[in-house]
Amino acid sequence: EIELTQSPATLSLSPGERATLSCRASQSFGSYLAWYQQKPGQAPRLVIYEASKRAPGIPDRFSGSGSGTDFTLTISSLQPEDCAVYYCQQRSIRPPLTFGGGTKVEIK
Amino acid sequence: EVQLVQSGGEVKKPGESLRISCQASGYSFTDYWINWVRQMPGKGLEWMGRIDPSDSRINYSPSFDGHVIISVDKSTTTAFLQWSSLKASDTAKYYCMTAHPGGYEYWGQGTLVTVSS
Repeated sequence: EIELTQSPATLSLSPGERATLSCRASQSFGSYLAWYQQKPGQAPRLVIYEASKRAPGIPDRFSGSGSGTDFTLTISSLQPEDCAVYYCQQRSIRPPLTFGGGTKVEIK
Repeated sequence: EVQLVQSGGEVKKPGESLRISCQASGYSFTDYWINWVRQMPGKGLEWMGRIDPSDSRINYSPSFDGHVIISVDKSTTTAFLQWSSLKASDTAKYYCMTAHPGGYEYWGQGTLVTVSS
């Protein structure tokens, strides 16, 4: 089973700052990684799939990178509406399709 | 329009059985896997398993294998998640989800299951 470790647990930044979220895997699985955004009381929303592809409707301030075991989600200029918990998920052909523990992004 | 509509919230006692549902519409039901995801109160997301509606092939997470059963009914384009004996630790919100090509992904609204004596 592939384990995903996200860091930091909480990220507190000012509007307009760059947010960098990390997701590290216990073993390599290529580029089949997804990032989700979840706001309170809502279902998760896909932000990035296959490590670097933006999901439909996602603003271009969101970008993803990485492969193998190290992945990054970057929000280039943080907006108030970006406050949420972000989860990574491995989506290789090898189930279980585990999630990371999440990173909470807050506005200072 | 693709929609996944889940059944309503449930309040159950420990040891009771339960089946919750996820009705899909707006796409060819047998073309894409349906996943189930658990979120315990105040906690993160946990992938429980998935089913291929075309042949009912199932992958379970080891954490849930043997405790839940995932199934589908193709005639009603509905996926199910069921328990034969609920525990208090099953209290959570459960989501169904289907991922389509091109980053199109659809989630149900979630079903809150509360297990309490």
